[in-house]
Amino acid sequence: SQKIEQNSEALNIQEGKTATLTCNYTNYSPAYLQWYRQDPGRGPVFLLLIRENEKEKRKERLKVTFDTTLKQSLFHITASQPADSATYLCARSDSNSGYALNFGKGTSLLVTP
Amino acid sequence: EAQVTQNPRYLITVTGKKLTVTCSQNMNHEYMSWYRQDPGLGLRQIYYSMNVEVTDKGDVPEGYKVSRKEKRNFPLILESPSPNQTSLYFCASSSMSGGTDTQYFGPGTRLTVL
Repeated sequence: SQKIEQNSEALNIQEGKTATLTCNYTNYSPAYLQWYRQDPGRGPVFLLLIRENEKEKRKERLKVTFDTTLKQSLFHITASQPADSATYLCARSDSNSGYALNFGKGTSLLVTP
Repeated sequence: EAQVTQNPRYLITVTGKKLTVTCSQNMNHEYMSWYRQDPGLGLRQIYYSMNVEVTDKGDVPEGYKVSRKEKRNFPLILESPSPNQTSLYFCASSSMSGGTDTQYFGPGTRLTVL
């Protein structure tokens, strides 16, 4: 199956800074990439989706980029707040996957005051 | 309120005792799926269903069964649970008419098999 790799090391940043999380994929580009937020013991919550032919997507303080040359998506949270602390999951969707999402293992973000 | 519900939320059982985890969604979604989440392994798909009476295996289907008799419900059945099925389970649903497969997850069921 197509792999999704996220940095397993936790990311610690100071409140107000921009957090940048990385998602790398293997082989061919997925039809789109999705980003989810997961709080401990709770179900993932959808945040943003970016299609293969889009370079950037924004939603409030969130921004996602899709670089097919680097086979990478970056997820940015600007003006980060302690409430942004969570695990962020990247998932790829392939047009031939029958709507199955292939999730990365997630990156934990801790925003300290 | 649009939601996916799961029951029970927590369950402790013993090896070999059949159990069912229910999942229900009120969004009229065609696609439903079960995942398990284990430390260091991330979310792995167990089974999925693209519509009523249509189910298929995901990446880790061994030891599980599902059924889809109604559009809103997608129960996960463990006929003979074993300790290696101790995990956090999530049900998810998605509309297949929107052009994307954004998934809506339930709150999770934490299962411990002794």
